Amino acid sequence: DADVTQTPRNRITKTGKRIMLECSQTKGHDRMYWYRQDPGLGLRLIYYSFDVKDINKGEISDGYSVSRQAQAKFSLSLESAIPNQTALYFCATSDLDANTGELFFGEGSRLTVL
Amino acid sequence: EDQVTQSPEALRLQEGESSSLNCSYTVSGLRGLFWYRQDPGKGPEFLFTLYSAGEEKEKERLKATLTKKESFLHITAPKPEDSATYLCAVHDSGGGADGLTFGKGTHLIIQP
Repeated sequence: DADVTQTPRNRITKTGKRIMLECSQTKGHDRMYWYRQDPGLGLRLIYYSFDVKDINKGEISDGYSVSRQAQAKFSLSLESAIPNQTALYFCATSDLDANTGELFFGEGSRLTVL
Repeated sequence: EDQVTQSPEALRLQEGESSSLNCSYTVSGLRGLFWYRQDPGKGPEFLFTLYSAGEEKEKERLKATLTKKESFLHITAPKPEDSATYLCAVHDSGGGADGLTFGKGTHLIIQP
């Protein structure tokens, strides 16, 4: 089984719908991140969390919210999806104790907003 | 603001034809420079971390080097299975958001 698991892997939805992407990890890492990837733009940070009480905005947080339900779970929500949120979303973790900055990524969630 | 620029955007090589990918960066203070490999539809997979100028790391046909302004990923005698997008990222010690700042990647195709 993957260390960082994302669900769903693929989702097609309509403008205005609420969408939640979920991430769970078995690596025991404290830090969790949500990135989105768009062709020609690379990976951009949406939100990150150091623990269940610590949530921080990244570069492109507008239109998104997150919830850290437990050390191992970090979900990303789109309250009212719009077409320009169509992208590949990645959850990632890193080890606070090691503090190397290395990120471990999930397999991605492809979201299409019509 | 951190900046990471990768070149070329795309590179097509024949099997066995060695080449290098470039990553130039601007940061307040470099805590680490990372190289990742990404296959289509997959999450990025860690390759190397470099921490200081002059450092080099190798893995099979790949060798990463670091200067104060850029990093190179050298690919020696590549094989078709080396085809992927290679991502460069920096970890900045200068404050701001945590996490890594990524370049847009170099899409590498190795033809048999």
